[in-house]
Parts: sequence; structure tokens; C-alpha cells
Amino acid sequence: AQSVTQPDIHITVSEGASLELRCNYSYGATPYLFWYVQSPGQGLQLLLKYFSGDTLVQGIKGFEAEFKRSQSSFNLRKPSVHWSDAAEYFCAVGEGFQKLVFGTGTRLLVSP
Amino acid sequence: GAGVSQSPSNKVTEKGKDVELRCDPISGHTALYWYRQSLGQGLEFLIYFQGNSAPDKSGLPSDRFSAERTGGSVSTLTIQRTQQEDSAVYLCASSSRAGQSEAFFGQGTRLTVV
Repeated sequence: AQSVTQPDIHITVSEGASLELRCNYSYGATPYLFWYVQSPGQGLQLLLKYFSGDTLVQGIKGFEAEFKRSQSSFNLRKPSVHWSDAAEYFCAVGEGFQKLVFGTGTRLLVSP
Repeated sequence: GAGVSQSPSNKVTEKGKDVELRCDPISGHTALYWYRQSLGQGLEFLIYFQGNSAPDKSGLPSDRFSAERTGGSVSTLTIQRTQQEDSAVYLCASSSRAGQSEAFFGQGTRLTVV
């Protein structure tokens, strides 16, 4: 069965510092991988996705993620965090968008 | 509309009552998805529509849950005889076609069963 693990429930980062959110997946075939962000009271917004090709994918808001098949990982990174990045981040895996399996999320706190 | 619209935004209901949650997808989107977000279970897939048919309803937790979609547009998720464990945020998403087209999410309906 497909599954996604986000080992960090909370992460606190200073504004301007770099960020890496971890995501490990279990999937029987070539996965489609996604990162979503959810701000308080808001729906989910797609940050980026990996379907195939270049394993380093660029997304919106300055985020990027790298697919590492050997490690079954798809970690999200940002070189310099802004206070507005404080939100909950979800990694997801699926055969496409029609049925996503989400991780439990990582809440990002940004300190001044 | 400009985005996926869900109504109501909040719903408080008594245990045992039936509730209906509505989703208006982005105009022209043929695929529609329902997810549930709860504290204990995280984000769970419930059901997916392509047009008016539901190729995958494997995530519906019990026969108290049902969903329909009419005219290839609006969808209604119905929960019968609500239980306290049904309390959650129910999220709807739509995409222009199933598969590789981005799914856009609504803001959800927060259901509280008392």
C-alpha cells in the first residue's frame, strides 16, 4: 500500500534561514509526488509536483524539491524563509491527481 | 466560478442527524475529489468523480457516507446518522481532467457532530 511519512510534526526556522522538510514514501511503482501548503483556514495549494524527468523540481514561492529514488525521498527546500511561509506542509504520493495519499503534515513556524 | 466553492463553511449537527455538504467545482473541470481532514487521521481520500460517475469510492468509511454528482458539476456528500467520529474538515477539489492535471482545493466544510 502507498504511504507517506513526514517525520517532523513541527519545525521552527528563523526568518532568512534555509528550510528543508522531509518526506519519505512507499510506493510500488514510479510515484507521482506532490507538496501542498495549507495556511490557517485555507484550502490546500499545490507548491510543486514530480511526475518524471529532472529529479530537481522548481515550484511556486521559491520552493524546490528533489526526488531521490534510492532513498524514497522527496524533500522540500527553500533557501531563505519568509514569515509568510508559516503554514502546514503536506507531502503526497499518487498515480496522478485522482487519488492522493497524504503525509500527516509538518507545521512550519518562522521566528523573527 | 473562480475557484472551488464549498458550502456550508461550518456545520454543527446533532449526533444521529443527516448532513449534506456541497461542492461547486471550477467551471469546466470534469474531475472532482472529496477528502477528509481530521486530527487523528490526517488527510484521507474519500471518493473521486469523472463526470457524473465515481470510478473510485474506496475511501468512503462506511455505508453512511454517499456522494453524487449531477450535470458534471455540483457534487453533494451526504453523511447519514452522523457520529462524533465524523467530525472533520471535508475538502473538495477539482481538476480539468483526472490524472496529471492539477487538482485545486476548496476551503473545506468544517463539520462538528455534538
